Amino acid sequence: DTAVSQTPKYLVTQMGNDKSIKCEQNLGHDTMYWYKQDSKKFLKIMFSYNNKELIINETVPNRFSPKSPDKAHLNLHINSLELGDSAVYFCASSQRGSPLHFGNGTRLTVT
Amino acid sequence: GENVEQHPSTLSVQEGDSAVIKCTYSDSASNYFPWYKQELGKRPQLIIDIRSNVGEKKDQRIAVTLNKTAKHFSLHITETQPEDSAVYFCAASITRNTGNQFYFGTGTSLTVIP
Repeated sequence: DTAVSQTPKYLVTQMGNDKSIKCEQNLGHDTMYWYKQDSKKFLKIMFSYNNKELIINETVPNRFSPKSPDKAHLNLHINSLELGDSAVYFCASSQRGSPLHFGNGTRLTVT
Repeated sequence: GENVEQHPSTLSVQEGDSAVIKCTYSDSASNYFPWYKQELGKRPQLIIDIRSNVGEKKDQRIAVTLNKTAKHFSLHITETQPEDSAVYFCAASITRNTGNQFYFGTGTSLTVIP
């Protein structure tokens, strides 16, 4: 099944912990992204990678570190989690000139 | 970077009426404008898109218009149905050699009242 898949779907953790979210796409797209959707539903770009190279880092705290081992994968590691990190994180991919395809999201809750 | 504004933030219409959502963008280099629908608890999904060389595009009950000079674009939904209730996002995208960068509006929560 062609898709953008991310795991886990839900992540509940305590402040100060470190966690990772994994993302894979089998659409053959060159560009992958991480978006954060907060409680107000705003979709904010965090990172963009093109063929494994970082293109955009939108003033995201350096506690967030993306890693792209190949162009089909873009993982997100978060250190020292804070309450304000609670949100839904969407991975997405696109091919140049084409729309974004989103994963199903990871709902992160920091307690 | 690109700044996309979207209005209204909430919209309630009676079933069968039309709904219009408007967006403006700031960067004249933006050349691709997709619209996404997000149902509760689900991912945003593309419903229609328009490129900068086209002024209008229609797909059944959904249409999008683009005014490049004024830097605004709109989504029109006719004959609304309860299943159209969702949050709608506009986006402006710039096509670069390193891929497209997408910037989203703040969303419109549409409620269709049966």
